[in-house]
Amino acid sequence: KQEVTQIPAALSVPEGENLVLNCSFTDSAIYNLQWFRQDPGKGLTSLLLIQSSQREQTSGRLNASLDKSSGRSTLYIAASQPGDSATYLCAAPYSSASKIIFGSGTRLSIRP
Amino acid sequence: EAQVTQNPRYLITVTGKKLTVTCSQNMNHEYMSWYRQDPGLGLRQIYYSMNVEVTDKGDVPEGYKVSRKEKRNFPLILESPSPNQTSLYFCATRARGGTEAFFGQGTRLTVV
Repeated sequence: KQEVTQIPAALSVPEGENLVLNCSFTDSAIYNLQWFRQDPGKGLTSLLLIQSSQREQTSGRLNASLDKSSGRSTLYIAASQPGDSATYLCAAPYSSASKIIFGSGTRLSIRP
Repeated sequence: EAQVTQNPRYLITVTGKKLTVTCSQNMNHEYMSWYRQDPGLGLRQIYYSMNVEVTDKGDVPEGYKVSRKEKRNFPLILESPSPNQTSLYFCATRARGGTEAFFGQGTRLTVV
């Protein structure tokens, strides 16, 4: 069964720290891996998309890596700010049509 | 601007009263799908469509119907809503292949 797992479920760090969020998947046959941000009760905002042939993508203070052989992706957030507080979800579509499998998310809290 | 538009954003209804949540996209994407998000259960796929007139069940299709008569629209129909369908619903689209998924703003449905 294809699964996407995110650990930890929750993380609290002081402002200014660099941090890493983890995502693991059981099947390496993913089309891509996408990281989303979700604020409480709100929609999903796409942060970064890494194609299966790529190893990393960067956007501002965010850097996402992908290692298909080990079934892992990480989201690195540099110089964290209170505005980064949200739930971060990773998601991967597999070869089976349009199904995207989501991790359960990491709830991030940045303390001022 | 790329958009996935869901309506309504919020809906409170009574058990058994048929309702439709609309989803429309302006990106000419082939794939469209519906997800529900519940605390502790994450995002689960309800139905998906690979193209016009092609739909299939996701992980939790019971109590829902969909149709794809036009490429841009993918309505979610609840023929006889029940309280266990109270949830946050998202419509998602993406193009064929390993491309970025786009999500609507979400519809918060409460069935009393």
